[in-house]
Amino acid sequence: DTAVSQTPKYLVTQMGNDKSIKCEQNLGHDTMYWYKQDSKKFLKIMFSYNNKELIINETVPNRFSPKSPDKAHLNLHINSLELGDSAVYFCASSQDIRSEQYFGPGTRLTVT
Amino acid sequence: GEDVEQSLFLSVREGDSSVINCTYTDSSSTYLYWYKQEPGAGLQLLTYIFSNMDMKQDQRLTVLLNKKDKHLSLRIADTQTGDSAIYFCAESKLGGKLIFGQGTELSVKP
Repeated sequence: DTAVSQTPKYLVTQMGNDKSIKCEQNLGHDTMYWYKQDSKKFLKIMFSYNNKELIINETVPNRFSPKSPDKAHLNLHINSLELGDSAVYFCASSQDIRSEQYFGPGTRLTVT
Repeated sequence: GEDVEQSLFLSVREGDSSVINCTYTDSSSTYLYWYKQEPGAGLQLLTYIFSNMDMKQDQRLTVLLNKKDKHLSLRIADTQTGDSAIYFCAESKLGGKLIFGQGTELSVKP
């Protein structure tokens, strides 16, 4: 299937831990994104990468570090997790920075 | 500012038309999007419109854009129970950044 995929789908962890969420797209797109959806369903962009280069960093705490090993992958590493990091994190990709974005299924992160 | 505004709830009867409205702030946005989110699922791209168009139709979906008033609407004809979901409008900004509205929860009653 051609798609944007994320792992894991659910992640439950304790405060202070470090965790990673992985994202892969097999659409041949150049641009990838991370969005955060809070408990009120509000969606906000966190990062975008174009051809493995960071182009948007939307005032996200530096505990969040995206890494793009190649154009098909954009992983999100989070250090020292806090309760307020609990949310659904969505990865997305687009052909380029002007094209429509396709979203992954989301990763529900719960910090206890 | 970067506000995109939508009403939070809409309830319709099966078979009726649904109209979901959205206002945005940035007149320089090139594309405006509608996404659908079903419970526990990701965002599905429904349709989008380029800013130099005022209407786009795709099967049961009609998008209307009033650029002067910065108003976007999504009309769903013959609404079905499977259309029950949250609908997000979004405007595109520099670098591919999407600014989303709060989402409109559409409830379709049989």
